[in-house]
Amino acid sequence: GAVVSQHPSWVICKSGTSVKIECRSLDFQATTMFWYRQFPKQSLMLMATSNEGSKATYEQGVEKDKFLINHASLTLSTLTVTSAHPEDSSFYICSVDQGGREQYFGPGTRLTVT
Amino acid sequence: GENVEQHPSTLSVQEGDSAVIKCTYSDSASNYFPWYKQELGKGPQLIIDIRSNVGEKKDQRIAVTLNKTAKHFSLHITETQPEDSAVYFCAARAGGTSYGKLTFGQGTILTVHP
Repeated sequence: GAVVSQHPSWVICKSGTSVKIECRSLDFQATTMFWYRQFPKQSLMLMATSNEGSKATYEQGVEKDKFLINHASLTLSTLTVTSAHPEDSSFYICSVDQGGREQYFGPGTRLTVT
Repeated sequence: GENVEQHPSTLSVQEGDSAVIKCTYSDSASNYFPWYKQELGKGPQLIIDIRSNVGEKKDQRIAVTLNKTAKHFSLHITETQPEDSAVYFCAARAGGTSYGKLTFGQGTILTVHP
């Protein structure tokens, strides 16, 4: 399956600052990537669909101006959490969709906002 | 949209016993059903999947069954081992405009006691 990496694996930032998380597809050219958020002991919640070369599609209730997604190449999508607040603290995970077949996840990024 | 219900929320078995996790889905257009294993602090790992044109699929100790009429699918793990302990998520993917999007169940915490 596709190998997906994320960077950083964890990050601590102060309230009001912005944080960028990278998602890389190491062995597959991904036109579509997905960004999920997972709170402790909860399931994965889809935030947005990242499309290479076009604007991301956000799920209902997700603020697109707060969670900026850029899918500039077939191997890289970035999620920027702008003006982060403690309630944004969560586990952020990206996934790569293999042309509508299997979907493989990255290792996740733990964000803590103080 | 799609809704996936997963049961039980926790499952405790003795090593060597079998474990069964069940999921139901609401959208009859869903055509792909993966199962993921998530260990603490890590991203979900795809362990097995099934498509709507197949009733059962097996991979060594793991099997998945699908009943399209009843709209439910199940994960079966035989001869469980302590390393099977993790959180397991089922998911469903519909076609059409939701192409690629996965809707996840609530998760099952499986504990295998040595």
